[in-house]
Amino acid sequence: ETGVTQTPRHLVMGMTNKKSLKCEQHLGHNAMYWYKQSAKKPLELMFVYSLEERVENNSVPSRFSPECPNSSHLFLHLHTLQPEDSALYLCASSQQPQAGTGKEGYTFGSGTRLTVV
Amino acid sequence: AQSVAQPEDQVNVAEGNPLTVKCTYSVSGNPYLFWYVQYPNRGLQFLLKYITGDNLVKGSYGFEAEFNKSQTSFHLKKPSALVSDSALYFCAVRVFYNQGGKLIFGQGTELSVKP
Repeated sequence: ETGVTQTPRHLVMGMTNKKSLKCEQHLGHNAMYWYKQSAKKPLELMFVYSLEERVENNSVPSRFSPECPNSSHLFLHLHTLQPEDSALYLCASSQQPQAGTGKEGYTFGSGTRLTVV
Repeated sequence: AQSVAQPEDQVNVAEGNPLTVKCTYSVSGNPYLFWYVQYPNRGLQFLLKYITGDNLVKGSYGFEAEFNKSQTSFHLKKPSALVSDSALYFCAVRVFYNQGGKLIFGQGTELSVKP
């Protein structure tokens, strides 16, 4: 266990479904991130929350909707997804700011493997 | 633009041989550099980092990395590869902005170690 827990581990959903991915961190970090990892593609940063405020949204389609109710929890709400949205969705957390603090960077969860059918 | 490049999609090594996974970076200011490893269907695990100090950084599982400022490189190395080292390896650089910082990842290199 890394201290960042993602649920569910696997999710299969139809294109008309609505589902949510959950991420929880027990590290006392104040920033959380959603990444998308598709086969043969680089890691794509989707959203960044720092101190519970969204500070980055990298041109992600509106069918993905993040929510950060507190510094320990992060959700990714999904609706009317497309088959190309099938991927491994990774959550990470870190402590901000980190300049010169010697922190390890990000701590990742194990991911949710999403399949859209 | 700030970026990280891993020029090899795949590296193949025989068990017991030394391995190198390459990484080059482009950032303004002093770089904070990281290596992560990912095993199948798992998240990324931290291996090592360079912030300041010695150019040779030692990390988990016998890995080390050498920071070379003139060549803007941060190659990952291990003197003797194990089959269990087979995984996907990511180089990353931390960039800072007003609200804090974020990691920019390379595209990943798949390491395959054969017995």
